[in-house]
Amino acid sequence: EAAVTQSPRNKVTVTGGNVTLSCRQTNSHNYMYWYRQDTGHGLRLIHYSYGAGNLQIGDVPDGYKATRTTQEDFFLLLELASPSQTSLYFCASSDAGGDERLFFGHGTKLSVL
Amino acid sequence: QQQVRQSPQSLTVWEGETAILNCSYEDSTFDYFPWYWQFPRESPALLIAIRPVSNKKEDGRFTIFFNKREKKLSLHITDSQPGDSATYFCAASAGTGNYKYVFGAGTRLKVIA
Repeated sequence: EAAVTQSPRNKVTVTGGNVTLSCRQTNSHNYMYWYRQDTGHGLRLIHYSYGAGNLQIGDVPDGYKATRTTQEDFFLLLELASPSQTSLYFCASSDAGGDERLFFGHGTKLSVL
Repeated sequence: QQQVRQSPQSLTVWEGETAILNCSYEDSTFDYFPWYWQFPRESPALLIAIRPVSNKKEDGRFTIFFNKREKKLSLHITDSQPGDSATYFCAASAGTGNYKYVFGAGTRLKVIA
């Protein structure tokens, strides 16, 4: 079973704060994704990447930056956090081209006060 | 604008009944349609998936029916069990080599014993 680990599990920050969410996968998957989950909206794609140094823009990228430093590590950066970014964030990875299923981490609950 | 739409938002059925969850999409280039389920306080996981080369995919009590002309699909859960109570997400991706997955807002299913 693919392992995707997110940290932290919970984060509280204030408006204007700087937040970094981390994700590590240990199954050598090429694709990694950041989604946010909000009631009534399902899962919305923020950014994704197909390898180290690559970044693709998702459907709701405003206010977010991301960086894929290695095959294993994908970071989501909120440089000026706003209350509208309060959400549950999921990282996922997939072996695109093989078994395409997404393997999700346990999520990071972010609250921006 | 939601590229993938799901209905109903919530559904309650009795144990043993068939639950029908609906999904529709706009983009005719979508060619892979996975369904994910998510239990409370857990992350989403792949349940079943279909490609348009076929109009039906079955896995035990779970069946996807696909209508390419109408851009609609549905998930049928026969002999519903209380353990099937979860939120079900329809997702889509477009074209081999394009591993961007967009999700619907989800259907919350409750099965009453």
